[in-house]
Amino acid sequence: DQQVKQNSPSLSVQEGRISILNCDYTNSMFDYFLWYKKYPAEGPTFLISISSIKDKNEDGRFTVFLNKSAKHLSLHIVPSQPGDSAVYFCAGTGNQFYFGTGTSLTVIP
Amino acid sequence: DAGVTQSPTHLIKTRGQQVTLRCSPKSGHDTVSWYQQALGQGPQFIFQYYEEEERQRGNFPDRFSGHQFPNYSSELNVNALLLGDSALYLCASSWDRGNEKLFFGSGTQLSVL
Repeated sequence: DQQVKQNSPSLSVQEGRISILNCDYTNSMFDYFLWYKKYPAEGPTFLISISSIKDKNEDGRFTVFLNKSAKHLSLHIVPSQPGDSAVYFCAGTGNQFYFGTGTSLTVIP
Repeated sequence: DAGVTQSPTHLIKTRGQQVTLRCSPKSGHDTVSWYQQALGQGPQFIFQYYEEEERQRGNFPDRFSGHQFPNYSSELNVNALLLGDSALYLCASSWDRGNEKLFFGSGTQLSVL
C-alpha cells in the first residue's frame, strides 16, 4: 500500500537553475508532510516540512508547496547547487511516517 | 550533542540466523522508531517505542521484535533471517510521538547470505 509516491526516480538540473521534485499521496488524513535529503552512507536528514493546513512553506532556497485538492506536493530548490545532489524523500505523517521511494537529484556544475 | 547513533554499521549473516541492531537516540529524545530501507525503496516503518513499550507497528512479521531501555536506547531483533531481510535498517528518534520531525542515524547495512 504505497500511500506516498515519487514517480520520478531521477532528475538532472544545471547549477543555478530551479529543481522541482514532485510527490503524490493518497491518504487525506496526513497532517504533516516532510522532505528529507539523503547522501550515500548517511541517514536521511530533515529538510523542510509543511502542515496540511498550509499551502506553502519557505526556508531559504527551499520551498514546499502543497495542493490538497490534487493530493500533491512539490519541493522547489532555487538556485540549485552541486551540494544539493542527493536522494530526496517526501513523507506524509498521521500516526506514523510514510515515505516515498525517493528522487535522485544531480546538479551539474 | 551526539545525534542518533547506530551499531554496527555493517553486518553479514546467513539465512536462519538471528541479529540484534542497536540504537542510541539523540540527546533529549524519548521515542525511537525503526525503519527498513530496501534497495531503491523508501524507508518503511517497522515499529515505534515509547516509555519502553511498543506503541505502534507497521506491516512486519513477528520475527521482527524490539526493546527500549530506561535510558531510551533501543534494540531491533530479527529472528530466522531471510534473504529478503537484506536492507539498510534505520533508527530514528524524536520527542513523544514525533509527528513533525524524525532524526535518523546512519543505519546498519544488513546482508543475509
